[in-house]
Amino acid sequence: AQTVTQSQPEMSVQEAETVTLSCTYDTSESDYYLFWYKQPPSRQMILVIRQEAYKQQNATENRFSVNFQKAAKSFSLKISDSQLGDAAMYFCAYRGATNKLIFGTGTLLAVQP
Amino acid sequence: NAGVTQTPKFRVLKTGQSMTLLCAQDMNHEYMYWYRQDPGMGLRLIHYSVGEGTTAKGEVPDGYNVSRLKKQNFLLGLESAAPSQTSVYFCASSRTVYQPQHFGDGTRLSIL
Repeated sequence: AQTVTQSQPEMSVQEAETVTLSCTYDTSESDYYLFWYKQPPSRQMILVIRQEAYKQQNATENRFSVNFQKAAKSFSLKISDSQLGDAAMYFCAYRGATNKLIFGTGTLLAVQP
Repeated sequence: NAGVTQTPKFRVLKTGQSMTLLCAQDMNHEYMYWYRQDPGMGLRLIHYSVGEGTTAKGEVPDGYNVSRLKKQNFLLGLESAAPSQTSVYFCASSRTVYQPQHFGDGTRLSIL
């Protein structure tokens, strides 16, 4: 069975600085998708970025980028120029052939002014 | 754009009561999902549907039933609520299995 592990329950970053959130996963599949979701206090689940496993190029969305290391089964999220609005819980998620999203336990990010 | 709408947003039940959570999407998505979110844990899949009239079990299906009579609606039922079902419930939908899931705002359910 696939698993997703986020080893950092909480992280803190100064406004305008860069922070990296870690995620590792375990799978025997070769074709899958990886996602980062943001959940602010409003409780919404907002898709931040996604990565297709067959693509070697790391995905980028404005200030958000990933470091996808397929062999190491690692999928970290880098947030550049952090803003107060980035404060939220961040979930890493995996989806393979079963069509089921498997979530990690989340990392709570605080942004200090 | 409404996207994914969950009804109600908040509910308190007594043990043994029954209720139905409604999820509606206006994006013509084939796939719909129900998750629960508990403190210190990620979202866990309860049931999902790959199209109108179909349902399938997820990771934690016990104590829940679902129905997808119309493509745009996915209902989650609790026949006899238990305190262990106190949670925040999220509905999501996606166009295909390869597309990202769009989430509703969640329903906070407390069972006393």
